[in-house]
Amino acid sequence: NAGVTQTPKFQVLKTGQSMTLQCAQDMNHEYMSWYRQDPGMGLRLIHYSVGAGITDQGEVPNGYNVSRSTTEDFPLRLLSAAPSQTSVYFCASKTRGTQYFGPGTRLLVL
Amino acid sequence: GENVEQHPSTLSVQEGDSAVIKCTYSDSASNYFPWYKQELGKRPQLIIDIRSNVGEKKDQRIAVTLNKTAKHFSLHITETQPEDSAVYFCAATSNEKLTFGTGTRLTIIP
Repeated sequence: NAGVTQTPKFQVLKTGQSMTLQCAQDMNHEYMSWYRQDPGMGLRLIHYSVGAGITDQGEVPNGYNVSRSTTEDFPLRLLSAAPSQTSVYFCASKTRGTQYFGPGTRLLVL
Repeated sequence: GENVEQHPSTLSVQEGDSAVIKCTYSDSASNYFPWYKQELGKRPQLIIDIRSNVGEKKDQRIAVTLNKTAKHFSLHITETQPEDSAVYFCAATSNEKLTFGTGTRLTIIP
């Protein structure tokens, strides 16, 4: 199993650009989520999904959209990038409580 | 929603000594408490977890204790080694969502 995979590993955007961060898992987990990690602030939940076709907002959802058309994939879309969205983004999937993280995407918005 | 506080934010201990990290949570419905270790530039990795029906769990040099009445839980690392240097995060799970503490940077002094 590849576990949780994320692409790209690193991305530079200009303010106002849009992009999609990809996340996939091959463990057949129903629950998937996106976090952002900023220095001194831990991991903050952006959006999560309890299964295909179901998504909900987390702690910091503004400026981000998600969809869950399949169990395997959970992309995160930045609609109009802002410098405040410069961060490291982690996707995760979960079963019976144990949550597994992807390798992360480092995003820089200029 | 859930709120998790973690202390201390930084901790330095001599190699071979013990380290203790403490967390409190606010939602009495939280029932699963994982601890993650994150090395520089890497993804968070689960190191130990505890469920609300258990008071203590141990795995070799690491142990976690949970006091449901006081809503706090702690990570204990004994006989610390240089490879224990990392950032440690506690988390609490309520309604499937994990809420993380802000992290503790543990430095082991040789």
